[in-house]
Amino acid sequence: AQSVTQLGSHVSVSEGALVLLRCNYSSSVPPYLFWYVQYPNQGLQLLLKYTSAATLVKGINGFEAEFKKSETSFHLTKPSAHMSDAAEYFCAVSEPDNYGQNFVFGPGTRLSVLP
Amino acid sequence: ETGVTQTPRHLVMGMTNKKSLKCEQHLGHNAMYWYKQSAKKPLELMFVYSLEERVENNSVPSRFSPECPNSSHLFLHLHTLQPEDSALYLCASSLTRMNEQFFGPGTRLTVL
Repeated sequence: AQSVTQLGSHVSVSEGALVLLRCNYSSSVPPYLFWYVQYPNQGLQLLLKYTSAATLVKGINGFEAEFKKSETSFHLTKPSAHMSDAAEYFCAVSEPDNYGQNFVFGPGTRLSVLP
Repeated sequence: ETGVTQTPRHLVMGMTNKKSLKCEQHLGHNAMYWYKQSAKKPLELMFVYSLEERVENNSVPSRFSPECPNSSHLFLHLHTLQPEDSALYLCASSLTRMNEQFFGPGTRLTVL
């Protein structure tokens, strides 16, 4: 069964600084990988997804993530943080070759952006 | 909005009340999900429906009862809840179970 870990339950960066949110996964088959963002009292919104095409995936709001099979990682980055990026971020994995396997979400990382 | 709507957005109920949460998706998806999100806890998957059939029930207490009358609608019937059931309840849908899930805005439930 697949699983997801997110290193750091809370990350703080200064406005304009690089954002790096870490995600590592385990999967018995080539996975699909996703990043979601959740603003307070709202549902989760898809930021980007990897589905076995290009390993560098660009998403909305200037975020991107790189799939590294050798490191089983899918870290999320943004070159310059904005105050509006403050939110909770979730990494998720699914196994497309294992029909019926669920999405599995990581525990989330809360991003704070300091002025 | 992502095409998944939830009503009500906020609900306060006593422990003896019966209420229902409603979720509707207009995306033509075949799978629908209920999640519970409590403060400082990971997302908890409660129920999964695929093609209107319940395919997963993750040890959820019987005071939560899901219903999926068709592929566009999902309900969560609540009765005799406990204060610890207070949480944000999120509905999601996806084309199939391997595809990305689209979430509704959630229902903030408070049990007094």
